[in-house]
Amino acid sequence: SQQGEEDPQALSIQEGENATMNCSYKTSINNLQWYRQNSGRGLVHLILIRSNEREKHSGRLRVTLDTSKKSSSLLITASRAADTASYFCATDLYGGATNKLIFGTGTLLAVQP
Amino acid sequence: DTGVSQNPRHKITKRGQNVTFRCDPISEHNRLYWYRQTLGQGPEFLTYFQNEAQLEKSRLLSDRFSAERPKGSFSTLEIQRTEQGDSAMYLCASRLKNTEAFFGQGTRLTVV
Repeated sequence: SQQGEEDPQALSIQEGENATMNCSYKTSINNLQWYRQNSGRGLVHLILIRSNEREKHSGRLRVTLDTSKKSSSLLITASRAADTASYFCATDLYGGATNKLIFGTGTLLAVQP
Repeated sequence: DTGVSQNPRHKITKRGQNVTFRCDPISEHNRLYWYRQTLGQGPEFLTYFQNEAQLEKSRLLSDRFSAERPKGSFSTLEIQRTEQGDSAMYLCASRLKNTEAFFGQGTRLTVV
């Protein structure tokens, strides 16, 4: 089963606009991670935010985490056509020995040139 | 080390045949994961190794699936008596505890 759900499922914007994707999850986490996947390829890690952090930046990416609401958002500013991809959040579950990473359902982002 | 390597990249097999996939993780990573991904879906967790120990196996996996990680290095995922429903991308990832995961390019399985 999948722990997280991204919203929206699909997003289409124009180049230069900002894109915001949301992720909700169900259980306590060590950290939350965002990944990008181009069609038919493997996933690439974008950013990791720990459970005691509220906001993190990396280049044009901004991630927020609200553990009380069990939600996170990924903002991509000044989007480019090359940002077109699927974006997934993944929760690193708290406690136990398994330390497994569970992925959400993904947001398909299309940036129109 | 150039990253996580998966072989083969593509596999077409007839229903009922057995297939085996290999994953070579980043050498210093003690945690290794297998996921299955179908079109339009997120990666679904299949199984997890810490060193050579298989610590968790998803209920999604039937008895036809088995994975090994001998000596805590590379891992293999075997599917016996393949079915058309097994057609998917099989992804391998490795990492250290509580850090980001590094993924291979995946093995795309088509069962005909």
